[in-house]
Amino acid sequence: AQKITQTQPGMFVQEKEAVTLDCTYDTSDQSYGLFWYKQPSSGEMIFLIYQGSYDEQNATEGRYSLNFQKARKSANLVISASQLGDSAMYFCAMSQTSGSRLTFGEGTQLTVNP
Amino acid sequence: GAVVSQHPSWVICKSGTSVKIECRSLDFQATTMFWYRQFPKQSLMLMATSNEGSKATYEQGVEKDKFLINHASLTLSTLTVTSAHPEDSSFYICSGEQGKGQPQHFGDGTRLSIL
Repeated sequence: AQKITQTQPGMFVQEKEAVTLDCTYDTSDQSYGLFWYKQPSSGEMIFLIYQGSYDEQNATEGRYSLNFQKARKSANLVISASQLGDSAMYFCAMSQTSGSRLTFGEGTQLTVNP
Repeated sequence: GAVVSQHPSWVICKSGTSVKIECRSLDFQATTMFWYRQFPKQSLMLMATSNEGSKATYEQGVEKDKFLINHASLTLSTLTVTSAHPEDSSFYICSGEQGKGQPQHFGDGTRLSIL
């Protein structure tokens, strides 16, 4: 069974600063994918970034980067130069590469202060 | 990018009513779609996996006779909440995948309120 743990129910950051959202996972699979999604208060789920378990380099997408440490089973999301519009709930999720079923963490509510 | 359209966005109806929610992939074919339920301040909980042309696979504890799923085409899956009651009030959100292991793309969700 797969499990995702997000230990930070809430995080605060000043505008323009960087913030790291923690995510650890547990799986017995050798091949898996890790995802981060953003959910604003309006409810939609916005895909941010993906990391495959065999990817040697950390994934980056604009201001988002994924700090993937396979030995520690962690996949932290780093948001650089925070903006007010980054305030939202952030979910870490994983799936088996051979399958599609996503397992979500409990989420982290990020608040960006002006 | 891949777009998933979900309709309606909001539903308010009386107890006992059946409610149908549609999930469409607009610019890709989704052989597999997923239905999630989310209570306030909680994470997404997978209800069922919908496969085009076959029966849906339900998660443990989800009543298949209450939550009817139909995936009649590669671009459309529907969830029908039959004889809805106040405890069915929740946020329902669907997603579609373009390929195994690829990111799922989500609809905007449906807020269901049963009076």
